[in-house]
Amino acid sequence: DAKTTQPNSMESNEEEPVHLPCNHSTISGTDYIHWYRQLPSQGPEYVIHGLTSNVNNRMASLAIAEDRKSSTLILHRATLRDAAVYYCILRDEKNYGQNFVFGPGTRLSVLP
Amino acid sequence: NAGVTQTPKFQVLKTGQSMTLQCAQDMNHNSMYWYRQDPGMGLRLIYYSASEGTTDKGEVPNGYNVSRLNKREFSLRLESAAPSQTSVYFCASSEGPARVQPQHFGDGTRLSIL
Repeated sequence: DAKTTQPNSMESNEEEPVHLPCNHSTISGTDYIHWYRQLPSQGPEYVIHGLTSNVNNRMASLAIAEDRKSSTLILHRATLRDAAVYYCILRDEKNYGQNFVFGPGTRLSVLP
Repeated sequence: NAGVTQTPKFQVLKTGQSMTLQCAQDMNHNSMYWYRQDPGMGLRLIYYSASEGTTDKGEVPNGYNVSRLNKREFSLRLESAAPSQTSVYFCASSEGPARVQPQHFGDGTRLSIL
């Protein structure tokens, strides 16, 4: 199964950009890269996903390396509300049910 | 819109008791999921239902059963609760396959088994 590696924790200052890295060196050609985040005492919240091209939405941007072995979630201007655990997940068409593990993620702290 | 609603929010059980966790979504989604999250860890899939009428095991199905009652509702049952099942349980839904569709999560059920 494809796996991802993320730093355990990161810190950012409020109103500054944040770049959250994710390594997925064993990614297959059909794996989609998903990002979710989880605020304290809440369920995970979808952030963004992509396959090959960079993606933007109202919450964040996803930059995918050309070889797809890594990706970066970009929060353009961190707010205190962005303090959460961020999960990078790979999903493929072969292991529909089995490939749904959320690892430990990256705990992002935002300093005022 | 309520999204994904889970009941109850909190529950304490004694070892050997049974209970059913309820989940309902109002987004007309086809797929629904049950996860558990142990302290300080990520989420692990227990069971999922790709569409109404189908259910399949996830990574950690032992000790649990599920029922996809209709398109809206997906319940998780613990027949004989064990302390190892103390966890936070999350229900989620997606319009289609979670490979390409976002999952929407409920706020969780915090379950303690003594």
